[in-house]
Amino acid sequence: ILNVEQSPQSLHVQEGDSTNFTCSFPSSNFYALHWYRWETAKSPEALFVMTLNGDEKKKGRISATLNTKEGYSYLYIKGSQPEDSATYLCAFYSGAGSYQLTFGKGTKLSVIP
Amino acid sequence: DGGITQSPKYLFRKEGQNVTLSCEQNLNHDAMYWYRQDPGQGLRLIYYSQIVNDFQKGDIAEGYSVSREKKESFPLTVTSAQKNPTAFYLCASSPLGGAPYNSPLHFGNGTRLTVT
Repeated sequence: ILNVEQSPQSLHVQEGDSTNFTCSFPSSNFYALHWYRWETAKSPEALFVMTLNGDEKKKGRISATLNTKEGYSYLYIKGSQPEDSATYLCAFYSGAGSYQLTFGKGTKLSVIP
Repeated sequence: DGGITQSPKYLFRKEGQNVTLSCEQNLNHDAMYWYRQDPGQGLRLIYYSQIVNDFQKGDIAEGYSVSREKKESFPLTVTSAQKNPTAFYLCASSPLGGAPYNSPLHFGNGTRLTVT
């Protein structure tokens, strides 16, 4: 079973602060890296799908970068708002003949107004 | 609106009983998945299906069974052989196309199963 690590496990930030968290994954056999946002009482929602080394994606105040050679991705949130409070999941797709995404445990973000 | 519907939201069963969780999608997606979430763990794949009448085991398939008789439906049965069935269960779907890893998953709202 592949290992996907996310850090930190949780963090609290003040409204307006910018923050970032990390997803580490095996650097061999890489196909794609997915980021999802999971708000309480809702279903997880896809943020980004990244496939190329050096990829940078942006959606509003949220952006992500990808380094497949060293096996990590960063998610950045600029000017955090209370509505950004959620658990952020990353998932690694190694391909390897299957259609399985391996998920990390998530980073739980709480934005304090 | 297109989406994935899981029912029921909460389910309670006695130990030793089989229970079936429903998952229906109207997104016309080829692939469907069942994940399980336990406290302090990432989502773990139970079963997935890429096409009607075909499905594959994920990492933790023991004690579970699925069927895929229709494209829209992928029910999960938690059998009495599953040693720790109490968990939160998420169903998801995705289109396949030529590069399935490029397609994000669409999730349902989940079913919380409690077995006592």
